[in-house]
Amino acid sequence: QVQLVESGGGVVQPGRSLRLSCAASGFTFSSYAMHWVRQAPGEGLEWVALISYDGNNKYYADSVKGQFTISRDNSKNTVYLQMNSLRTEDTAVYYCARERTLHYYGSQSSGMDVWGQGTTVTVS
Amino acid sequence: DIQMTQSPSTLSASVGDRVTITCRASQTISTWLAWYQQKPGKAPKLLIYDASNLESGVPSRFSGSGSGREFTLTISSLQPDDFATYYCQQYNSYWAFGQGTKVEIK
Repeated sequence: QVQLVESGGGVVQPGRSLRLSCAASGFTFSSYAMHWVRQAPGEGLEWVALISYDGNNKYYADSVKGQFTISRDNSKNTVYLQMNSLRTEDTAVYYCARERTLHYYGSQSSGMDVWGQGTTVTVS
Repeated sequence: DIQMTQSPSTLSASVGDRVTITCRASQTISTWLAWYQQKPGKAPKLLIYDASNLESGVPSRFSGSGSGREFTLTISSLQPDDFATYYCQQYNSYWAFGQGTKVEIK
C-alpha cells in the first residue's frame, strides 16, 4: 500500500544538525513532489519545504530558509530534510507528505494526500 | 504571505449535529484550499481539496464550499469518529495552514 515512513528524529543540542529521511513505497515516487510539514508540541501545522518530483525546484518557508535543505534520491525512493543550526523553536514532530498534483514542479498544487506517521525532533 | 484564520477555535457538538467550520484567507485564493482532519498523535488526513472536492474514501457527510477569501467545511451529521481537529490550508501561494478547529464532545 501507499506508505511514507520518516526516520532520523531525536534529541539534539541547540546549534547542532540533524538529517531526517522519509522512505516511500507503494507508488511511483519519482512522479511526485514531496513536502515536509512540522507541528510544535500543542500547536498547529506549519509547512516547511517542498521539492519537485525531479528535484530541480525547491521551496522553503521563511522560518527555515537558509537553515534547512530538502533533497531527494529517486533511486532510493527517499526524501531528506537536512536541518542545521537547530534552535529550540525547531522542536516539533516532522511529517513528510506527498503533493497531490502529479509531476508538480511549481505549477498548481492540490494539497497533500499521503502523510507519514511523523518523527520527533527535540532541540534541548 | 497569506494568513489563514479559522473559526471557531473550539466547537462543542453532539453526535448527529450539523457542524460548520469557517476559514478566511487574508487575500483571495480562488478555490485553492484543502481541509484536513487530525486526531491526537496521528498524521493529518486530507478530506477536501480545491475547496469542494471530496478526497477518495472520505465519507460523503463531509463537504466543502467557498471561493475567494471565505470557505466552509460542513459535517452534515457528526459521527463519533469525527471528533478531531480540523485544519484548512491554502495552496494559492506556497502553503499555509489555519490554526485549527477542535471539535469536541458536548
